Amino acid sequence: DAGVIQSPRHEVTEMGQEVTLRCKPISGHDYLFWYRQTMMRGLELLIYFNNNVPIDDSGMPEDRFSAKMPNASFSTLKIQPSEPRDSAVYFCASSHGLRYEQYFGPGTRLTVT
Amino acid sequence: GQSLEQPSEVTAVEGAIVQINCTYQTSGFYGLSWYQQHDGGAPTFLSYNALDGLEETGRFSSFLSRSKGYSYLLLKELQMKDSASYFCAVGDDYKLSFGAGTTVTVRA
Repeated sequence: DAGVIQSPRHEVTEMGQEVTLRCKPISGHDYLFWYRQTMMRGLELLIYFNNNVPIDDSGMPEDRFSAKMPNASFSTLKIQPSEPRDSAVYFCASSHGLRYEQYFGPGTRLTVT
Repeated sequence: GQSLEQPSEVTAVEGAIVQINCTYQTSGFYGLSWYQQHDGGAPTFLSYNALDGLEETGRFSSFLSRSKGYSYLLLKELQMKDSASYFCAVGDDYKLSFGAGTTVTVRA
């Protein structure tokens, strides 16, 4: 198995631009999670899906952030408009019914200038 | 909500044993996990405790005391490749809340 796949691996954009991060979970996994990691705030859960349905988005910082999962093999996290404070590493993770064992993708390092 | 505390840094020499403590306060609790993250890498799952006691996986062991809100990760026979950050995480439903992480530095 290829593991969780994320793209792009690095993204540099200017303030105000739209950013779309992509994730392909491990085949057969029914839970998908989006996290953000910064030095100041650590690893934060933004939103998670079960069987493509958003279950909890209480971690999404504000309306500029949105996430979708149109099918079992693809999810996106969109930031519009982006701001410098959104600079972070964004991880996607998936799991199969085991809440405690999540498989993380390599992350997308986002820099907003 | 959840609150987790762990030391920020630990340094030890190759071959030694390191214990990383994690104390937590949580409104809901299904168990406690430990993850490892190398610099520039992704977190990877190490261990999980749902019940009190010790779980052993190779050179790593994890202990949980639910009554005390306390866990530790024990790294034995330290190797240079064990230099990484280690996070405890508590599960509430399907949400994991992570501690701030402990950076372990292994010296020759």
